[in-house]
Order: sequence, then structure tokens, then C-alpha cells
Amino acid sequence: DAGVTQSPTHLIKTRGQHVTLRCSPISGHKSVSWYQQVLGQGPQFIFQYYEKEERGRGNFPDRFSARQFPNYSSELNVNALLLGDSALYLCASSLSSGRATQYFGPGTRLLVL
Amino acid sequence: DAKTTQPPSMDCAEGRAANLPCNHSTISGNEYVYWYRQIHSQGPQYIIHGLKNNETNEMASLIITEDRKSSTLILPHATLRDTAVYYCINNNAGNMLTFGGGTRLMVKP
Repeated sequence: DAGVTQSPTHLIKTRGQHVTLRCSPISGHKSVSWYQQVLGQGPQFIFQYYEKEERGRGNFPDRFSARQFPNYSSELNVNALLLGDSALYLCASSLSSGRATQYFGPGTRLLVL
Repeated sequence: DAKTTQPPSMDCAEGRAANLPCNHSTISGNEYVYWYRQIHSQGPQYIIHGLKNNETNEMASLIITEDRKSSTLILPHATLRDTAVYYCINNNAGNMLTFGGGTRLMVKP
């Protein structure tokens, strides 16, 4: 079975631009979470979506937004990119919103110049 | 902030058991202890979790002290492919994993 997939794998943007990252969960999983991992640190929670509704939000500015589609795939959008947004963005899927057993994708590495 | 404390790094000889400690002195009664690991340049991987009983699966064993203030993840026969950062996480909400700095385990030949 396919695991969590993310696209693109790598991305280079300049300050002020907008970026959209995509995630497809494991088949049958209805919950998707997004994490940001800055170099040298552990992942930081950004959002969780379940059944197309936001179920949790971390301490990130409003420039970060996300949505989940009827097929449970998800997009993370970041507006007005800053240099500090350079990071590995990880998507994780789980069966439901109340499950801490999450399965992570390989991530999208974003570099903001 | 993470609610767990782990040593920043550990070494282990290949083929020997790797015992990774975690302190979670403020854990509440309904919080589980979860362990994940992250191999270089990959996403985190779920290993095991438990509430108060010891647990074992095909990857590892989890020993939780009776007072639940600490736990130990045991990799019984470490291989070079077990070199990774190991994260111990307390969780009861399900929707948000709070990662700390983790323990960087280096398995050496």
C-alpha cells in the first residue's frame, strides 16, 4: 500500500511569494496534519484537518492556511514568504482526529531566498 | 514546549541493545507515551506507544515505570539502520504531537 505522499519534494521561492504544498494521505485515513521542521529542531505542529474541518491549529501566523478536500488530500498554503519559513514541511495522516499514531510523508523541503 | 526530557545523544554498538530513556514527570493520567524516530532526511516514523503497561512490537519494547514519570525505549539488537533521532512524546489529544529535541542515537559497527 502507498504511504503518505507529498509534492513537490523540493521548492525554492523568494521572499514575498506564495507557496502551495500538497499531501495525499494513506488510503482510508481521514485525518491530515501538517508540521514544520526547521533545521536542527523537532517538527512543530501547524494544522490538523479531519473530514474537511480544521480540528487543531498550532502557533503559526495567519499567513499559513490549509484545507482538506473530499478525497481527504490536503493543501498547505503560505503567503508572503519570509526567510524564516525555510524548512521541511511534513504531512502526516491518521485514521481519525483522535489518533496520535500518525504516519508521516517524506516532506517538502522549502527554501526561501 | 515539549513535556519530556531526553538526553541529546547516545551511542550504541551494533548488535547490542539500545536503551533510550525519557523523563515525563508531569504526565497526566490520560496521556499516553509515544515514541517516534526520524532517520536523516525522512519523515518521522511511529515506533510504539503505551499508557502504563509495558509494550512490545516488532520494532521495539517500551518500559514505563510504575509512577509513569519515565520510560525507556529498547531496541533489542541495534543495527546501523537504527541510527536516527528518537522522540518521546506525551499525548492525549491525538491531533497534535509536540516534538522536543529528541535523542540522536548513533549505532556504531
